[in-house]
Amino acid sequence: QKEVEQDPGPLSVPEGAIVSLNCTYSNSAFQYFMWYRQYSRKGPELLMYTYSSGNKEDGRFTAQVDKSSKYISLFIRDSQPSDSATYLCATPGGGADGLTFGKGTHLIIQP
Amino acid sequence: NAGVTQTPKFQVLKTGQSMTLQCAQDMNHNSMYWYRQDPGMGLRLIYYSASEGTTDKGEVPNGYNVSRLNKREFSLRLESAAPSQTSVYFCASSEDYSNQPQHFGDGTRLSIL
Repeated sequence: QKEVEQDPGPLSVPEGAIVSLNCTYSNSAFQYFMWYRQYSRKGPELLMYTYSSGNKEDGRFTAQVDKSSKYISLFIRDSQPSDSATYLCATPGGGADGLTFGKGTHLIIQP
Repeated sequence: NAGVTQTPKFQVLKTGQSMTLQCAQDMNHNSMYWYRQDPGMGLRLIYYSASEGTTDKGEVPNGYNVSRLNKREFSLRLESAAPSQTSVYFCASSEDYSNQPQHFGDGTRLSIL
């Protein structure tokens, strides 16, 4: 079982919709979680950094951690075509040093 | 703000050639990392440097060497390139080697023929 799992998509939604992106993780000891956005031919860009359970909001973005179900989510409100990118969840936990990444979800916002 | 700068952005090599990928950060971070990103495999850690003067292997170190030249710079060397090393290479840095988020460069796209 992979330590961090993500549906690769693509996920296609109309402009203005609320987007929900999700990851599951296997180890209940993980406490820190990150969301990165990666545009084509660019490096991952840090969007959100959360600790433990609960919600964190930053503009149109909300990160949510549910430790009881080992589920992390990123919500995007009022989605824009410029939000079209691959979204990666990551945690510094895991068997590997550095960050353990999900494989990313490809999001397409249709104008 | 430059953040993490990687050079070159693109490179094509022949099998057996050697090459060094350069990375520099201007955020005064202590820790630096090299990842490779392949379709269907995601990002995988090659080597990391938790602090100046130290380096350690990550998940996929075979065929690579690294040098932490100073606090700002961390280079990745392919001594004898193989087609399996065709990938996009990302350098990242973080304040320290704990639970801090990492900041990435825009990558080097490397093709080995």
